[in-house]
Amino acid sequence: EDQVTQSPEALRLQEGESSSLNCSYTVSGLRGLFWYRQDPGKGPEFLFTLYSAGEEKEKERLKATLTKKESFLHITAPKPEDSATYLCAVQAGTDSWGKLQFGAGTQVVVTP
Amino acid sequence: EPEVTQTPSHQVTQMGQEVILHCVPISNHLYFYWYRQILGQKVEFLVSFYNNEISEKSEIFDDQFSVERPDGSNFTLKIRSTKLEDSAMYFCASSTGQGSVLTFGAGSRLTVL
Repeated sequence: EDQVTQSPEALRLQEGESSSLNCSYTVSGLRGLFWYRQDPGKGPEFLFTLYSAGEEKEKERLKATLTKKESFLHITAPKPEDSATYLCAVQAGTDSWGKLQFGAGTQVVVTP
Repeated sequence: EPEVTQTPSHQVTQMGQEVILHCVPISNHLYFYWYRQILGQKVEFLVSFYNNEISEKSEIFDDQFSVERPDGSNFTLKIRSTKLEDSAMYFCASSTGQGSVLTFGAGSRLTVL
């Protein structure tokens, strides 16, 4: 059975304290791995798509990497505005485009 | 920046009533989706829709649910005879095509009493 597992469930960081979030997956034929950010009461907001092992993408203080079994979202020198729930989602090879399987998310709180 | 618009933001209904959730996808998008998130749980896929028909649906999307694109701009999710367990945040999303990113709306919170 396809699974997407995110860890840790919650992360509390001091402003400037870098850290990494993990997303491990077991799916049949990964077509894409997605990172979204979700603020309370809002919909998921797209951050990155990764398609193949070894791929990396960066945006401001965030960097996403992908291996054959997991993805990491690195947050460098976070600021309070980086506080959110970060969601990982995968698209398996047998699914139609747009059918994403989400992990439970990592809730990140950055304190000044 | 273009966005997906959902209404209502919050709806409260009695068990057994019918509910229609409305979505206006981004105008040049061709693929449409509904997801839901029960409080404290994962975001779950419900259905994808393209060219006026369902492309794929999950096991959650049973006969109680239906989707429709009644005109060129709206995309609706109808839930017949709501149950307590239908209480959730429902997200509409759209994309330009296969291989493109899904853009999500802010969600409609459904509370079934």
